[in-house]
Amino acid sequence: DQQVKQNSPSLSVQEGRISILNCDYTNSMFDYFLWYKKYPAEGPTFLISISSIKDKNEDGRFTVFLNKSAKHLSLHIVPSQPGDSAVYFCAATLYSSASKIIFGSGTRLSIRP
Amino acid sequence: DTGVSQNPRHKITKRGQNVTFRCDPISEHNRLYWYRQTLGQGPEFLTYFQNEAQLEKSRLLSDRFSAERPKGSFSTLEIQRTEQGDSAMYLCASSEQGLGTEAFFGQGTRLTVV
Repeated sequence: DQQVKQNSPSLSVQEGRISILNCDYTNSMFDYFLWYKKYPAEGPTFLISISSIKDKNEDGRFTVFLNKSAKHLSLHIVPSQPGDSAVYFCAATLYSSASKIIFGSGTRLSIRP
Repeated sequence: DTGVSQNPRHKITKRGQNVTFRCDPISEHNRLYWYRQTLGQGPEFLTYFQNEAQLEKSRLLSDRFSAERPKGSFSTLEIQRTEQGDSAMYLCASSEQGLGTEAFFGQGTRLTVV
């Protein structure tokens, strides 16, 4: 039962343009969502998060949007830079019950010059 | 403290052998997670600890897998009688309780069973 889904395994975006990565979840109890970035041969690194009481959270070039009614979140990166090329994982948890973090399968983002 | 540390970084073992991995979390973090990642997949939850208490174990964690966190600090993950299907990256992460649940990951231990 895959509770967090990233349906696009890969995405290619031109440098300077906006990158939009999407994520869907099935468990309506999730109340906290996270995005991680992973380079080869390294562990995932935390990027940005959002609580279910918000619909947007922004940190520099990164913005996460949450649509609870659609059980959908997205990560926007603007402008995209070459160093953004990595695998991005969406994750979710039940913060209120201190539960485990569940990850999606990832989207590989490639920024082309 | 430079972050979550995992040892070894790489392990090659013969099928049927036992292996043990170690994770040293960020010192003030009382929550510790183990995940497994295979190619093309996201991290799969295995188990997690709140201090020394193991709070949850995944169905993925067969009887051959055991994890401990004896003093609420470092943790070990042991796999007995390894199988080729155990080949994966084993990731450890830690977080603070109650301050958001951003988990910080180590670099992982890549296990290859031959």
